[in-house]
Amino acid sequence: SYVLTQPPSVSVAPGQTARITCGGNNIGSKTVYWYQQKPGQAPVVVVYGNSDRPSGIPERFSGSNSGNTATLTIRRVEAGDEADYYCQVWDSRSDQVVFGGGTKLTVL
Amino acid sequence: QVQLVQSGAELKKPGSSVKVSCKASGFTFRTYGVSWVRQAPGQGLEWMGGTIPMYGTANYGQKFQGRVTITADDSTSTAYMELSSLRSEDTAVYYCARDFCISGADCYLFDHWGQGTLVTVSS
Repeated sequence: SYVLTQPPSVSVAPGQTARITCGGNNIGSKTVYWYQQKPGQAPVVVVYGNSDRPSGIPERFSGSNSGNTATLTIRRVEAGDEADYYCQVWDSRSDQVVFGGGTKLTVL
Repeated sequence: QVQLVQSGAELKKPGSSVKVSCKASGFTFRTYGVSWVRQAPGQGLEWMGGTIPMYGTANYGQKFQGRVTITADDSTSTAYMELSSLRSEDTAVYYCARDFCISGADCYLFDHWGQGTLVTVSS
C-alpha cells in the first residue's frame, strides 16, 4: 500500500518560514492536499491541487510537489499557525485515500 | 452554506456495533461523495471509506474492509457509517467529510467536514 511520510514535528520562530515535507514514491505524479488541524477542531484544507489555496487561506501558505517529495511552505509564520498539518493523496493503483502521519508545527 | 452535522457521542461495549450519521445541507447531496475519517486520541487521520449517493456504491479503506458499512439516504441528505465488532482501539473521533473533485480525475479533496463524533469503546 502507498505510504506518505511526514516529520513528526517542525519548529520555527515567528516571522520565519516553515517547510513541512511529505514523502512518497513518485508523489510528484499525484495530486496532494494539505490540511491544518487545531486542537479540538476538524481539519481544514489549506492547499489543494499541489499549490492552490481555498478562499480565506492566506497567501503565506503555498505548496509544491516534485519527484518523491511534496512540501507545504508557510511564510512569515504567526502564532496562530501552530497546529498539526497533514498531507493526503488518492492512490489510483489501490483506489485508496492515504494520509501522512501528520506534522506538529510549533511556533517558538 | 455547506454544513455537515453529525450525531452525538456514543459509548459502546466491545463486540457491539455503532452507527454514526451525517446530515448534509447547503449543496446537492447526491452529486458529491462523502467520506469518513477517524482520529484516535493523540493520533493521525485515517480514511475509512466513502460513498457517492448518486451511484449508491462505496469504497472502503483496506484496514476496515469487512467491518465498516457506509451508506447514504438521498431522500434525507444523510450519510451513515456503521462499524461492527468494536474493540477498544476503535475509540476515536469519527468525521464525515464532503468529497470535492477539482477536476475529473482529482477527487477526494475533503473541503467540508462535520464536527466529529466521539465513539468510546469500553466495557
